[in-house]
Amino acid sequence: KAGVTQTPRYLIKTRGQQVTLSCSPISGHRSVSWYQQTPGQGLQFLFEYFSETQRNKGNFPGRFSGRQFSNSRSEMNVSTLELGDSALYLCASGDQGQGANNEQFFGPGTRLTVL
Amino acid sequence: GENVEQHPSTLSVQEGDSAVIKCTYSDSASNYFPWYKQELGKGPQLIIDIRSNVGEKKDQRIAVTLNKTAKHFSLHITETQPEDSAVYFCAAIRFQKLVFGTGTRLLVSP
Repeated sequence: KAGVTQTPRYLIKTRGQQVTLSCSPISGHRSVSWYQQTPGQGLQFLFEYFSETQRNKGNFPGRFSGRQFSNSRSEMNVSTLELGDSALYLCASGDQGQGANNEQFFGPGTRLTVL
Repeated sequence: GENVEQHPSTLSVQEGDSAVIKCTYSDSASNYFPWYKQELGKGPQLIIDIRSNVGEKKDQRIAVTLNKTAKHFSLHITETQPEDSAVYFCAAIRFQKLVFGTGTRLLVSP
């Protein structure tokens, strides 16, 4: 099976712009979770989608949003970019979601730089 | 909410030595504990996990132990090799969210 794919791999934006990142989960997986990774805050959970519904959300402002399509592919959007949004954005897929005993497999990430 | 602490933040060993990374969690309701390895420029890779009804799990040179009473779990790597050099993260499930430790940078010198 192909792994989790994320596009684009690198992105440079300026403050105030918005950005959309894409994630394709492992075939057959219905859960997609998004994480932000920074040197200062580590890996932080953004949100999880399962069967096109947001099932869980972390403590991020409303500028961070996402959606999931019927083929399980997911996108996340960040509006009004701030310098502090510069990070590696990781997507993880699972067959049943983040409930107990469910493995999560990560993609390579999208490196976002905000200038 | 859940809080996961991880120690040490850096660990240097000689090739062939063992390495141990320790994590503690705060929420006794957490019941799934994965470990991830992240190499430079890559996403975290699941290397081993343990569920709360198991005390120990092994996979070749890697083992994980869980002490539910003390709320801590550890990763053990034996016969370390230079390719084991990476950042390792522990995590715990709480309310369907993975909460990660702060990571351990492992350096294995030839």
